[in-house]
Amino acid sequence: KNQVEQSPQSLIILEGKNCTLQCNYTVSPFSNLRWYKQDTGRGPVSLTIMTFSENTKSNGRYTATLDADTKQSSLHITASQLSDSASYICVVSARSGGYNKLIFGAGTRLAVHP
Amino acid sequence: NAGVTQTPKFQVLKTGQSMTLQCAQDMNHEYMSWYRQDPGMGLRLIHYSVGAGITDQGEVPNGYNVSRSTTEDFPLRLLSAAPSQTSVYFCASSIGDFHNSPLHFGNGTRLTVT
Repeated sequence: KNQVEQSPQSLIILEGKNCTLQCNYTVSPFSNLRWYKQDTGRGPVSLTIMTFSENTKSNGRYTATLDADTKQSSLHITASQLSDSASYICVVSARSGGYNKLIFGAGTRLAVHP
Repeated sequence: NAGVTQTPKFQVLKTGQSMTLQCAQDMNHEYMSWYRQDPGMGLRLIHYSVGAGITDQGEVPNGYNVSRSTTEDFPLRLLSAAPSQTSVYFCASSIGDFHNSPLHFGNGTRLTVT
């Protein structure tokens, strides 16, 4: 069973528009939630890390929000640029099966068109 | 700093062959880990190390070996390649416990087993 679900699977937007990516998780207890950006052919790069006590964190035009009660997070991209075309991966750090682990979502593939 | 360097970038193996994927980091990070990324799935942890001389299994360790003789290097060995090991492999490091610290990823090795 997939404990970190991301939606949509893929998204196309026009340059300059805003968009919001979703991440729902079922794991608990929860330590932190991260968002990574992965360009094609490259490794993921960290955008934000939020603990359960934080409900928003920004990194430039990227703003992540977290609702620990509903177990939902979103990544909002403002004034998109062509360079935002990438996969965005949600990762939850949680305790599962008696030990800590990182659980990765399958990602949302974003394409920004001119 | 070069960060995390992985070699080779691409590799094709025949079933039953063995090989070593190289990973080196120059950030003096104690924690290093190997992941595989398959289409439609989140990254999965293969093996990890919390320091030189210490390694442990992750979620999908079968068919892979690791060793950590130095802080900088963390090679991944495929003992007898199988088509199911066709994947993209990422090495990552972190300054502290990777459950609480951001991961720094290499750019991956794309492996095809025929």
